[in-house]
Amino acid sequence: EPEVTQTPSHQVTQMGQEVILRCVPISNHLYFYWYRQILGQKVEFLVSFYNNEISEKSEIFDDQFSVERPDGSNFTLKIRSTKLEDSAMYFCASSGEGPGTGELFFGEGSRLTVL
Amino acid sequence: SQQGEEDPQALSIQEGENATMNCSYKTSINNLQWYRQNSGRGLVHLILIRSNEREKHSGRLRVTLDTSKKSSSLLITASRAADTASYFCATSTGGGNKLTFGTGTQLKVEL
Repeated sequence: EPEVTQTPSHQVTQMGQEVILRCVPISNHLYFYWYRQILGQKVEFLVSFYNNEISEKSEIFDDQFSVERPDGSNFTLKIRSTKLEDSAMYFCASSGEGPGTGELFFGEGSRLTVL
Repeated sequence: SQQGEEDPQALSIQEGENATMNCSYKTSINNLQWYRQNSGRGLVHLILIRSNEREKHSGRLRVTLDTSKKSSSLLITASRAADTASYFCATSTGGGNKLTFGTGTQLKVEL
């Protein structure tokens, strides 16, 4: 069964360092998302991406964050200068259907620990 | 309260019993979805109910939606120990792309 894969599964970094989280969405999907979950809290939307551009972003997704689909298969989330409060599980998701119509398929997540 | 709040926050039942989780939301929705998350793992889609639907079944799962009360319930019948997980409702609203997740219900099914 097709699945969304994420790497790394866990990354530890120092505050102020740049981090890139990688995702390979399901191959025929067109809509891509990043969500995050701080330990013990709810899953929060960060950004959605369609047709090679951001279609929606949350207040969390400030100038320190960026997304890219560099080669038609990978979908990356970059955090330019990490803060302690960026420590969280980051989930990539993809969907084959347009907004408001279908389910999202989530990866297993990348756990980011900022020291 | 926030868009998507589940109750109870935690539920502990015996294997074989039914588990019911509720979700309330505040704004009009396109659809409401339920997801499951095992500890430390990703989210797995369980079922989607559209705003014009009132009830949906999938295996041992039954979801209801009451748009007048802005609420949904997830019923898991004949629960198993393997059903132990957190369950989240998520709403899709307006023309946006995002899902707004609720606070989740931690279900523990004991042998």
